[in-house]
Amino acid sequence: GEDVEQSLFLSVREGDSSVINCTYTDSSSTYLYWYKQEPGAGLQLLTYIFSNMDMKQDQRLTVLLNKKDKHLSLRIADTQTGDSAIYFCAETSQTGANNLFFGTGTRLTVIP
Amino acid sequence: DVKVTQSSRYLVKRTGEKVFLECVQDMDHENMFWYRQDPGLGLRLIYFSYDVKMKEKGDIPEGYSVSREKKERFSLILESASTNQTSMYLCASSLIRGRAVYEQYFGPGTRLTVT
Repeated sequence: GEDVEQSLFLSVREGDSSVINCTYTDSSSTYLYWYKQEPGAGLQLLTYIFSNMDMKQDQRLTVLLNKKDKHLSLRIADTQTGDSAIYFCAETSQTGANNLFFGTGTRLTVIP
Repeated sequence: DVKVTQSSRYLVKRTGEKVFLECVQDMDHENMFWYRQDPGLGLRLIYFSYDVKMKEKGDIPEGYSVSREKKERFSLILESASTNQTSMYLCASSLIRGRAVYEQYFGPGTRLTVT
């Protein structure tokens, strides 16, 4: 079955870098995704990476993909208090081409 | 901007009650989804729908049913609410997945408490 694992909590100081890790099982996913859930809100797509890429950079965000180890990470540079949220990685679900399978989510707390 | 709205932000119901959670999207999306979110378990898919009057079971359909009579509206029904259905319920919608990046758009969630 599918399994997407993340550590549940991460605390960093404002200005430091944050690294959120994810391991996944379905090596056929064309894209892998990071969603962000701010307090009291639904999820929003934050960034994504195509499966034939190793790295993608988007302003303060860097996504690293290690296909061999099925490991995905999200690095946030110069973390701000506004980055405090739950971050979910997601892969295409085996239950349907239009379905996503989400990880457990990592709650990032940024300490001022 | 895509907008997905859910009928209630907070709901308190008693055990055994029939509960309706409504979701409406305004972007003519074909796909709609219902998830529940629990701490440490992430998002789990309850039901999804690819078209009007069409529904498919997700990973945890037991105790739930759904209805999609109109394209923009997807309802989640708890026939007889139980305390273990206390959770945050999230609705999402999307276009049919093509070759490009695939995105689901989420509503703000309904926090349901069953007492």
